Amino acid sequence: SQKIEQNSEALNIQEGKTATLTCNYTNYSPAYLQWYRQDPGRGPVFLLLIRENEKEKRKERLKVTFDTTLKQSLFHITASQPADSATYLCALDSSYKLIFGSGTRLLVRP
Amino acid sequence: SAVISQKPSRDICQRGTSLTIQCQVDSQVTMMFWYRQQPGQSLTLIATANQGSEATYESGFVIDKFPISRPNLTFSTLTVSNLSPEDSSIYLCSVGEGGLDQPQHFGDGTRLSIL
Repeated sequence: SQKIEQNSEALNIQEGKTATLTCNYTNYSPAYLQWYRQDPGRGPVFLLLIRENEKEKRKERLKVTFDTTLKQSLFHITASQPADSATYLCALDSSYKLIFGSGTRLLVRP
Repeated sequence: SAVISQKPSRDICQRGTSLTIQCQVDSQVTMMFWYRQQPGQSLTLIATANQGSEATYESGFVIDKFPISRPNLTFSTLTVSNLSPEDSSIYLCSVGEGGLDQPQHFGDGTRLSIL
């Protein structure tokens, strides 16, 4: 069956450290993978998109990798700040729509 | 990027009634989508709202339960009909800039609770 898996346990890290979130998928062949941030009571906000032929994409303190062999994307936040605390969702394209993972909650301690 | 206004932000409804959720965008957009997000769960696509034609529903969602209108390129409504406790959820509108190689932009959702 098709699955997108993100760690359901919250990731708790110290301010200044690098946060690494994982998105694994099974039985999909996405051409694109997207990452979104969602704060409580708010809709998801787009962060980054990476294509299947791109190994890595960066935007300021954010970095995304995409390994189509491992069927995995990693999302990194360097020099993390308490304001980075949120739930992070990955999403991939399947046919004509986006399929979302259930998200990983990140907590950055001051 | 597009600014999306969704109303109401929350509501508490009686069983058997219906709720209509509005989604207004500040610019014309090609693609508009309706999602459901149950607590602690991922977003599930309900349907794609097509301007001038019937919405395209995903498996498990039917027009009689979730009628959708899209009268123009900036506005859509989702109605959740014959409400039951299982319909308690967050309903989100999103817009796309084109294909799936483009980001989607979301409203802040409507939190629906059923008494």
